[in-house]
Amino acid sequence: AQSVAQPEDQVNVAEGNPLTVKCTYSVSGNPYLFWYVQYPNRGLQFLLKYITGDNLVKGSYGFEAEFNKSQTSFHLKKPSALVSDSALYFCAVRDMYGFNKFYFGSGTKLNVKP
Amino acid sequence: NAGVTQTPKFRVLKTGQSMTLLCAQDMNHEYMYWYRQDPGMGLRLIHYSVGEGTTAKGEVPDGYNVSRLKKQNFLLGLESAAPSQTSVYFCASGPDIYEQFFGPGTRLTVL
Repeated sequence: AQSVAQPEDQVNVAEGNPLTVKCTYSVSGNPYLFWYVQYPNRGLQFLLKYITGDNLVKGSYGFEAEFNKSQTSFHLKKPSALVSDSALYFCAVRDMYGFNKFYFGSGTKLNVKP
Repeated sequence: NAGVTQTPKFRVLKTGQSMTLLCAQDMNHEYMYWYRQDPGMGLRLIHYSVGEGTTAKGEVPDGYNVSRLKKQNFLLGLESAAPSQTSVYFCASGPDIYEQFFGPGTRLTVL
C-alpha cells in the first residue's frame, strides 16, 4: 500500500540556520514525490516535485529536496531559514500506478525563531 | 485568473442535513480532486475526476458523492451529514497527473 511518513510533528530552527523536514515513502513502482506548504487558514501551495532525473530538486522560496531511493526518503531542505518559512509542510507521493491518487503525510510544523 | 475557488468558506450543519460544496477553477484543468484535512492526519482523498463527466473514488469516499457536469466545476455532496464529517475540505485542480493547485478550503462543522 502507498504511504507517506513524516516522523516529526514539529521542527524548531533558528533564523539563518539550515533546516531539514523529513519524509519517507512507500509505493509500488517508481515514486512521484511532492512537497507542499500550508500557511494558516490557507490552501496548500506547491513547493517542488521529483519525477525523474537529478536526485536534488530545487523549488520555490529557496527550498530543495533530496531524493534517496535506497532509503526511500525525500527530505526537504533549506540552507538558511527565514521566520517567514514558519508554516505546515506536507510531503506527498503518487506512484506510477496510482490512478491519479495522491497520498499525503500528516504534516510537519516548522517553527523558525528570530 | 481566480484560480481555484470554493463555496462556502464556512458551514455548520445538524446531523442528517444535506449540503453541497462547490469547487470552481478557471485554468481549464482536466483533473480535479476533493480532500478532507483532519488534525494529525494530513489530507485524504475523497473523490477525484479526470475530466468532464467522470468521477472516481479516492481513499475515503463513504458518505460523499460528487459530480463533474462541467469541466470547470466539481461538486461534493453530503446526503446525510454526520459529526465524523466535521473537517476542513479542500478542492484542487491540475493540468496533469503531477501538479495540483489548491483552493482556500471550506470549514464544515456537523453538530
